[in-house]
Amino acid sequence: AIQMTQSPSSLSASVGDRVTITCRASQDIRNELGWYQQKPGQAPKLLISAASSLHSGVPSRFSGSGYGTDFTLSINSLQPEDFATYYCLQDYNQPLTFGGGTKVEMK
Amino acid sequence: QVQMVESGGGVVQPGGSLRLSCATSGFTFTTYGIHWVRQGPGKGLEYVAAARINGKNYADFVEGRFTVSRDNSKNTVFLQMDSLRVEDTAMYYCTRDGHTGNYVTFDYWGLGTLVTVSS
Repeated sequence: AIQMTQSPSSLSASVGDRVTITCRASQDIRNELGWYQQKPGQAPKLLISAASSLHSGVPSRFSGSGYGTDFTLSINSLQPEDFATYYCLQDYNQPLTFGGGTKVEMK
Repeated sequence: QVQMVESGGGVVQPGGSLRLSCATSGFTFTTYGIHWVRQGPGKGLEYVAAARINGKNYADFVEGRFTVSRDNSKNTVFLQMDSLRVEDTAMYYCTRDGHTGNYVTFDYWGLGTLVTVSS
């Protein structure tokens, strides 16, 4: 199975900061990667698919980039509701695999 | 609107079995794949299995212990879990693949059902 390595595993940031999370695949996955946000006690929510395509209703401060093995999720001007854990998911082939997650905490 | 409701979780001893259900509504069930994702206590998300329109897939750790199936007459997907291990303890979510283009997109999720494997 393809291994997905996310970094950092956690970070501290303030409202208004720009935050960047990276995800590295163990092999070329083209752009077949999604990003999900999860808050405590809730199911995950889709943010981005196809590495850079924003899901309907997701604020434009979220953006994704990358191709091949290296991918990035960026959050411009972090808002209070953005403190959460973020996961990447490769959908290049089965079995699908998630990254280990990045917890964004308030500084 | 789209709804996905898991059920069937509970407490089971190691080596035991459980059958989880994911009842869906609000969309044409036969045209969507439904997947299972789990999350152990304090851990990250882990992909479990897929009941795709035309096939099934499993994570490596399943090792033949789980079987996914779908009943198109009931708009429901099942996850039969046998030979359960302590490490299978987790919240189990079902999620719909919105299949945006050729990409897997988990656009709707249930609230989850909790499975606890303990002696």
